[in-house]
Amino acid sequence: DGGITQSPKYLFRKEGQNVTLSCEQNLNHDAMYWYRQDPGQGLRLIYYSQIVNDFQKGDIAEGYSVSREKKESFPLTVTSAQKNPTAFYLCASRVGKNPLGTDNSNQPQHFGDGTRLSIL
Amino acid sequence: DAKTTQPPSMDCAEGRAANLPCNHSTISGNEYVYWYRQIHSQGPQYIIHGLKNNETNEMASLIITEDRKSSTLILPHATLRDTAVYYCIVRVTLLNTGNQFYFGTGTSLTVIP
Repeated sequence: DGGITQSPKYLFRKEGQNVTLSCEQNLNHDAMYWYRQDPGQGLRLIYYSQIVNDFQKGDIAEGYSVSREKKESFPLTVTSAQKNPTAFYLCASRVGKNPLGTDNSNQPQHFGDGTRLSIL
Repeated sequence: DAKTTQPPSMDCAEGRAANLPCNHSTISGNEYVYWYRQIHSQGPQYIIHGLKNNETNEMASLIITEDRKSSTLILPHATLRDTAVYYCIVRVTLLNTGNQFYFGTGTSLTVIP
């Protein structure tokens, strides 16, 4: 089945540690996104990538880093600089331009089932 | 800036239609409206989207006002499994950096037996 896989489902971090959250998709989507969700709140955009080897900061990028070396993978690193990392992290992907260059930007995002990060 | 406004919570009787409103008064001409729902501790599930025409699929109908400043998601026959938080989202296209989707705090819909 095609979809988006986030791992692990639960993750614990010690103070001062970096941790990396995995996001893999086999939908052949060009665009990928990382969001953070805090209790009772909506999603806030951390980083997004429209194409391999390119990514952009979202609204709350400080304390996070990403890479996009492969089309199907968009890992998020929560660094020790992120002082309040406890949250639910969601990865999404969306189809980008098709081979003929037609813009598919009205197509929706599809989400993984999230990783819940907690501080020990 | 979430760009959308939704009531924080709503109830609906099982089997009746659930009508979820959304205001997006600052929407511009090329911005689409999307609806997602989220069940606790899961990722958001896509429901439907539209630009200016009303849309219908197997899950729901989307009614967009003529001035596009508001929309309504309709679940025609609500079931207990429709209990979730429903998000109305506007997609914004930025010239150099592509598309961003703005999520607000959503409407918590409770379907009552």
